[in-house]
Amino acid sequence: RKEVEQDPGPFNVPEGATVAFNCTYSNSASQSFFWYRQDCRKEPKLLMSVYSSGNEDGRFTAQLNRASQYISLLIRDSKLSDSATYLCVVGRGWSNAGNMLTFGGGTRLMVKP
Amino acid sequence: NAGVTQTPKFQVLKTGQSMTLQCAQDMNHNSMYWYRQDPGMGLRLIYYSASEGTTDKGEVPDGYNVSRLKKQNFLLGLESAAPSQTSVYFCASSYGTGVRSPLHFGNGTRLTVT
Repeated sequence: RKEVEQDPGPFNVPEGATVAFNCTYSNSASQSFFWYRQDCRKEPKLLMSVYSSGNEDGRFTAQLNRASQYISLLIRDSKLSDSATYLCVVGRGWSNAGNMLTFGGGTRLMVKP
Repeated sequence: NAGVTQTPKFQVLKTGQSMTLQCAQDMNHNSMYWYRQDPGMGLRLIYYSASEGTTDKGEVPDGYNVSRLKKQNFLLGLESAAPSQTSVYFCASSYGTGVRSPLHFGNGTRLTVT
């Protein structure tokens, strides 16, 4: 079983739709969680950290469920510019150091006009 | 302020050839990393450097070597290229290790080994 698993998609949604991705992780000792965004043939960029109580940044909401060991990303009112691959990233400690992170394979989102 | 710069952007090698991928950052970051990204798989850490002059193996170090002689540069060497090393390579850096020190990635090097 992979340490961090994501549905690769693609998720094809119309503009304005709400879409949600889940990501499961296997290490129950994981302490830090992130979503990165990667545009086609570009580098990953941090989208948002995921906090225990859940957090929101504009149209994006991230949730953590420790009991079931998954995190989720909800995107409301999808824009064409949201089309990208979303990487779930889990840290083995309270650190964002690259050597402590495990990246999921990514979920591809395509927003259509 | 260029951020993290990788060269070259594209490279084609024949099996057995060697080469060095260059990475430079101008953000005065302490930590630097080399990842590879293959289709359907997450980024996998090859080597990292927590500070100038130190390096450590990551998840997939075999067939690679690294050097961090200057704080701003982190070099990744392929000793004898193999087709299995065909991948996209990303260099990244971070100032520290806290949650508020995200990774900054370079724009990648696409390597094909024939």
